[in-house]
Amino acid sequence: DAGVIQSPRHEVTEMGQEVTLRCKPISGHNSLFWYRQTMMRGLELLIYFNNNVPIDDSGMPEDRFSAKMPNASFSTLKIQPSEPRDSAVYFCASTDRAGETQYFGPGTRLLVL
Amino acid sequence: GENVEQHPSTLSVQEGDSAVIKCTYSDSASNYFPWYKQELGKGPQLIIDIRSNVGEKKDQRIAVTLNKTAKHFSLHITETQPEDSAVYFCAASYPFGNEKLTFGTGTRLTIIP
Repeated sequence: DAGVIQSPRHEVTEMGQEVTLRCKPISGHNSLFWYRQTMMRGLELLIYFNNNVPIDDSGMPEDRFSAKMPNASFSTLKIQPSEPRDSAVYFCASTDRAGETQYFGPGTRLLVL
Repeated sequence: GENVEQHPSTLSVQEGDSAVIKCTYSDSASNYFPWYKQELGKGPQLIIDIRSNVGEKKDQRIAVTLNKTAKHFSLHITETQPEDSAVYFCAASYPFGNEKLTFGTGTRLTIIP
């Protein structure tokens, strides 16, 4: 299996622009997670989906952030408008049906100028 | 909610020596405790996990111990090698039905040749 796929791997944008991050989970996995990693706050769970339905979005920072999962093989995390404080590495992870092991993608490094 | 504390934040050991990283958790209902290794520029990767019905688990040079009474668990790496240098995260999750992982703040392990 190719593992969790994220795109783009790097994104540089200017403040105020819309940013869309993409994730393809491992085939057959039924849960998907979006995390943000910064030096100051570590790994933070933003939102997670189970069977394409958002279960917990309490970690989403504010209304500028939104996430969708239109089908079992694709999810997006959108930031609109972006701000410099959104600069971080964003990870997507998925879990298989058997338990709690999460498999992480390589991440998207976002820099907002 | 669950709170996971991890110590130390940095650790340097001589190649061949052992390394120990410790974590405590707050919610006695948590029953799954994975450890992740994150190398530079990559996403976290699961290296070992333990469930609350087991006190210890080993996989070659890596072992994890769990003390449910004290609510702490530890990662032990023996015969350390340069490739063990990375950031290690512990995590805890609730029983089946809630797949959220709460991560510790990470330990940067450096193996000195």
